[in-house]
Amino acid sequence: EAQVTQNPRYLITVTGKKLTVTCSQNMNHEYMSWYRQDPGLGLRQIYYSMNVEVTDKGDVPEGYKVSRKEKRNFPLILESPSPNQTSLYFCASKAQGGEKLFFGSGTQLSVL
Amino acid sequence: KQEVTQIPAALSVPEGENLVLNCSFTDSAIYNLQWFRQDPGKGLTSLLLIQSSQREQTSGRLNASLDKSSGRSTLYIAASQPGDSATYLCASFQKLVFGTGTRLLVSP
Repeated sequence: EAQVTQNPRYLITVTGKKLTVTCSQNMNHEYMSWYRQDPGLGLRQIYYSMNVEVTDKGDVPEGYKVSRKEKRNFPLILESPSPNQTSLYFCASKAQGGEKLFFGSGTQLSVL
Repeated sequence: KQEVTQIPAALSVPEGENLVLNCSFTDSAIYNLQWFRQDPGKGLTSLLLIQSSQREQTSGRLNASLDKSSGRSTLYIAASQPGDSATYLCASFQKLVFGTGTRLLVSP
């Protein structure tokens, strides 16, 4: 089954404790991206990647890092999480030249 | 900077009604516009994608239209059902920008 898999689904952590949210897709998609969703603000893009070893900032990249060492994986790294990064995070992918975005089920992150 | 607005923010209708969800965007230089459905606790599911050269797309009871000149797209849902209850988001693609969504509740 074609899918985008995020882990974990729920995460509660404390300020400053490094964490990684994983994202994996099995559709051989070149494009992958991360979004955060906050009430009243909609989905905002954090980072995106056009292909392996190619990443770029989205609209709200501060406090986040990403890497794209393999085509299928695009982890989101919070080196020193802060409470304002409490949010619902989504990973998505699409084929290069394709337009339909496929989303993961989301990761609800709470930073205390 | 592209801004995407969805009105209304929430909508409650009885089962069987036809309804229209609105999406407005400020920059008409878009590649395409996509409508998504989001269910609580789940990710987004793509419903319809309209290319910038197209005027509308249809899938079952859903019809989406695009008017680039006026910066508007509408999602028409015919004969609404309780299973249609969800949040609907539109997104403009050049640089991907999402609207804030319309939360739809269809009552039996």
